[in-house]
Amino acid sequence: AQSVTQLDSQVPVFEEAPVELRCNYSSSVSVYLFWYVQYPNQGLQLLLKYLSGSTLVKGINGFEAEFNKSQTSFHLRKPSVHISDTAEYFCAVMGGYNKLIFGAGTRLAVHP
Amino acid sequence: EPEVTQTPSHQVTQMGQEVILRCVPISNHLYFYWYRQILGQKVEFLVSFYNNEISEKSEIFDDRFSVERPDGSNFTLKIRSTKLEDSAMYFCASSRFGGLAGVVEQFFGPGTRLTVL
Repeated sequence: AQSVTQLDSQVPVFEEAPVELRCNYSSSVSVYLFWYVQYPNQGLQLLLKYLSGSTLVKGINGFEAEFNKSQTSFHLRKPSVHISDTAEYFCAVMGGYNKLIFGAGTRLAVHP
Repeated sequence: EPEVTQTPSHQVTQMGQEVILRCVPISNHLYFYWYRQILGQKVEFLVSFYNNEISEKSEIFDDRFSVERPDGSNFTLKIRSTKLEDSAMYFCASSRFGGLAGVVEQFFGPGTRLTVL
């Protein structure tokens, strides 16, 4: 069965600093991975996805993630964060019949 | 830009009552989903729906829950005999393809916060 572990429940960081949000997955079938962002009082917005091909995936708002099959990881990175990046970030793996299996989320708090 | 919409944004109901949560998926999408997020917990899959049939449902989706696509635009989640533990944010999502047709992203609506008193 597929599962996702997000290792950090909260990540505080100063503005313009780099950030990495960690995600590890478990899957016995083909791996399709996603990062979604949830801004306060809003729905889930797709940041990026890995379906196949290049292991380095670039998404919106300057985010990128690297698929590492040997370490079963899909960490999200941004070289320089902004106050507006403050949000909850969810890593997800796709299971059977296209259901998404989410991690517990990481709350990114960007401070001035 | 097309988006998934959900109504109402907040629903308050008494325990034991029935609620219907409504969603309008993106117009050319064929696959539909409901997820829920209990406050402070992870987003959980409830059900997927394609071609007017449930494709898969989770153990959360017991016989009090049902889904329907009553017309060409709406997708509804009905919960009968609501319980306190049904209180959560319910997200609707849709995707253009799915299953053997290929894996694509799911687009999420803003959610309906259900409060059962």
